[in-house]
Amino acid sequence: DIQMTQSPSSLSASVGDRVTITCRASQSISSYLNWYQQKEGKAPKLLIYGASSLQSGVPSRFSGSGSGTDFTLTISSLQPEDFATYYCQQSYSTLVTFGQGTKVEIK
Amino acid sequence: EVQLVESGGGLVQPGGSLRLSCAASGFTFSSYSMNWVRQAPGKGLEWVSYISSSSSTIYYADSAKGRFTISRDNAKNSLYLQMNSLRDEDTAVYYCASEVGANHFDYWGQGTLVTVSS
Repeated sequence: DIQMTQSPSSLSASVGDRVTITCRASQSISSYLNWYQQKEGKAPKLLIYGASSLQSGVPSRFSGSGSGTDFTLTISSLQPEDFATYYCQQSYSTLVTFGQGTKVEIK
Repeated sequence: EVQLVESGGGLVQPGGSLRLSCAASGFTFSSYSMNWVRQAPGKGLEWVSYISSSSSTIYYADSAKGRFTISRDNAKNSLYLQMNSLRDEDTAVYYCASEVGANHFDYWGQGTLVTVSS
């Protein structure tokens, strides 16, 4: 199975901060990398697909980059509604795997 | 509006069985692949199973292989997960998720809680 490793596991940030979360795959996955946001007690929500494509309706402060094994999710200016847990997911393999999650908390 | 509504969760003893359902609306269900994803209490997301639009292709995570069976009824716009030989570690919220866009899970249900305990 392809292992997905996110860093950091958690971070504290203030409203307005630029936040970067990284995701590393155990082998090359081309651009088959997606990012999801999950708020407490809610279902995950797709933010970014294909490493850098913004899902319809998602604010433009969210962006994704990378290819191969290293990927990044960036929130350009953190808003109060962005405090949540973020997961990367590879869909290169038929056996889909997720990263362990990054919890973004209020500083 | 796309809606996915799971049902069928509950408390079951180890070794027991449960059948989850996911009712879809707001999109052409028969045209798209579907997945089950679960989340144990306080843990991350774990993909469980995939089924193609015509049911011709099915995949399972190792944790589900041999015990879980995914199926769908396109006439009823419904997805199912038959879970047998349940273990304590199967305790989780189970989500159904669609792949309207290929290779990513664009819509998710609200989840149904499965608790395996004696």
